[in-house]
Amino acid sequence: QVQLQQWGTGLLKPSETLSLTCGLYGGSFSDHYWSWIRQAPGKGLEWIGEINHSGRTNYNPSLDGRVTMFVDTSKNEFSLKVRSVTAADTAVYYCANSYMDTWGQGMLVAVSS
Amino acid sequence: DIVMTQTPLSLPVTPGEPASISCRSSQSLLDNDNKKTYLDWFLQKPGQSPQLLIYTLSNRASGVPDRFSGSGSGTDFTLKISRVEAEDVGVYYCMQRMAFPWTFGQGTKLEIK
Repeated sequence: QVQLQQWGTGLLKPSETLSLTCGLYGGSFSDHYWSWIRQAPGKGLEWIGEINHSGRTNYNPSLDGRVTMFVDTSKNEFSLKVRSVTAADTAVYYCANSYMDTWGQGMLVAVSS
Repeated sequence: DIVMTQTPLSLPVTPGEPASISCRSSQSLLDNDNKKTYLDWFLQKPGQSPQLLIYTLSNRASGVPDRFSGSGSGTDFTLKISRVEAEDVGVYYCMQRMAFPWTFGQGTKLEIK
């Protein structure tokens, strides 16, 4: 069974860099694009962007160019970095494949001074 | 960006009764080259990651009961539940994958009367 498991830093100060990683277990990394989605507390879903196994990316312009995604195909992992975070970046962050039929467990990232 | 608008935002339903959620997009989601409509539906149960219900307009994801169905065309779409069960409570989202950035509707909260 294909699973995605996420980890990273859960508490940040304003201006720091958010860093999350998602690991794929039981599936083929090269079969999909891999997405990040976030959900601010009590709000709806926002697509952040996606990356494929060769590193090709598509980002949501709403994050003002602060997003970078990486892949490590040797470990079947992909990562998200968001620079210069503010309180508005506080959210549960999810990873998913780009068909969105497999999701990670979600991770709350809080930005607070 | 393509704007996705869902109605209603709140939907109280008696178990065993049907339910319907509408989603409208600001642009057509029909790809004229391959005739696919890039509209998906998700359910986020309380405390869980979203789960895919319907992809490309009307295809049920693996394991989704056949009481769920998706329909529509162009810019107007509907998710129908033929007979609501208690396990169907949560927030339903439509999402477009026609153009970057992928965008979601605001969500429709289904609750049991």
